[in-house]
Amino acid sequence: DAKTTQPNSMESNEEEPVHLPCNHSTISGTDYIHWYRQLPSQGPEYVIHGLTSNVNNRMASLAIAEDRKSSTLILHRATLRDAAVYYCILLNSGNTPLVFGKGTRLSVIA
Amino acid sequence: GAVVSQHPSRVICKSGTSVKIECRSLDFQATTMFWYRQFPKQSLMLMATSNEGSKATYEQGVEKDKFLINHASLTLSTLTVTSAHPEDSSFYICSARGTYGYTFGSGTRLTVV
Repeated sequence: DAKTTQPNSMESNEEEPVHLPCNHSTISGTDYIHWYRQLPSQGPEYVIHGLTSNVNNRMASLAIAEDRKSSTLILHRATLRDAAVYYCILLNSGNTPLVFGKGTRLSVIA
Repeated sequence: GAVVSQHPSRVICKSGTSVKIECRSLDFQATTMFWYRQFPKQSLMLMATSNEGSKATYEQGVEKDKFLINHASLTLSTLTVTSAHPEDSSFYICSARGTYGYTFGSGTRLTVV
């Protein structure tokens, strides 16, 4: 699987937007960009995924660069409950397992 | 939809005993489930892929005789840690593919004393 690079940690103030970057310069044309997050002492949860176009859902937005070599997860208004480790993962085929990197630990300050 | 239930959430066992962890897909069928292990402050590490009705596929370095996986139905996979030792203490998490992505169990924190 293609590798992704994320900052180890980021900090945000509560109620402000957060932009979590991910670099994936070796992405292939059929790789989907997936984002998951893991709250403390819980299993990961799905956040969003996309292929080429920007995506929005109730949790977040995903902005994908035109060359697809990078993407940004956007939390529009960070809350204390958004404090988690966020993982950016490339996934090619249907039922292969997710391979987790180190992710970005997001801290939210009240 | 696409809920995965994992049980127990935490377990303490004595060294040398075995522990079974269950992972159930509640509202969908999962022919394949995945088992991960996570040590403190580290990322999730894939241990094995569990296939319904056939043998599990283990990642390199994972002892198949120590971590027994059974996937006897389309909704249940179990991981048994046999002859547990303190170094097996970890957070174990299962996963299955749902409609919009992968769904994970809430994890099992195993402490071997």
